Amino acid sequence: GAVVSQHPSRVICKSGTSVKIECRSLDFQATTMFWYRQFPKQSLMLMATSNEGSKATYEQGVEKDKFLINHASLTLSTLTVTSAHPEDSSFYICSARGGPSGLSQETQYFGPGTRLLVL
Amino acid sequence: AQTVTQSQPEMSVQEAETVTLSCTYDTSENNYYLFWYKQPPSRQMILVIRQEAYKQQNATENRFSVNFQKAAKSFSLKISDSQLGDTAMYFCAFMKHIREARNSGGGADGLTFGKGTHLIIQP
Repeated sequence: GAVVSQHPSRVICKSGTSVKIECRSLDFQATTMFWYRQFPKQSLMLMATSNEGSKATYEQGVEKDKFLINHASLTLSTLTVTSAHPEDSSFYICSARGGPSGLSQETQYFGPGTRLLVL
Repeated sequence: AQTVTQSQPEMSVQEAETVTLSCTYDTSENNYYLFWYKQPPSRQMILVIRQEAYKQQNATENRFSVNFQKAAKSFSLKISDSQLGDTAMYFCAFMKHIREARNSGGGADGLTFGKGTHLIIQP
């Protein structure tokens, strides 16, 4: 149980284009999903918190118009990097936290990550 | 704001040895959770162990155990009988208790990570 998938696993795009990353909880309902960013040889930094049916909450310094988050259902959250630039190249990881159906609400289960390279 | 400090960028031990990874944190919260996550070369984050701050008993999961010292704000991870597959980055992480995070407003219950310790198990 507690499997989280991400798609795509890696993407290369041209500067100025938009890229959408999907995060799905496969075997549980996720009331809350989180998006993190990880630069090479660094730790994970929380970008935003996404609750189903409501607007995402962004961490300080994260541009909400650049990183659009949609949490349309209890199993799917999407992150869209708009007008991507080379400095947006990074490893993006989502996590999901279980609802009341059984999984512990305090534990976050992570997707495998998406490597984004903007040329 | 919370901070998590891992003071050992890299550690290397022989297979079957016991190794302890250190983690300290700073918070004004009284209720919170602490976690150790493992990130192997695949970069998949894997939960190793978790501890609720209100529990005095140290958490254990097979070969993994923690030494949680709430007053000292210390949360070290001990790996016994280390195996080659334990080679990975290990991240210590802090999270506010969900109820208190919600009282703080949305977005307050994400994980705050330390910088990580690269653990290498030598054959």
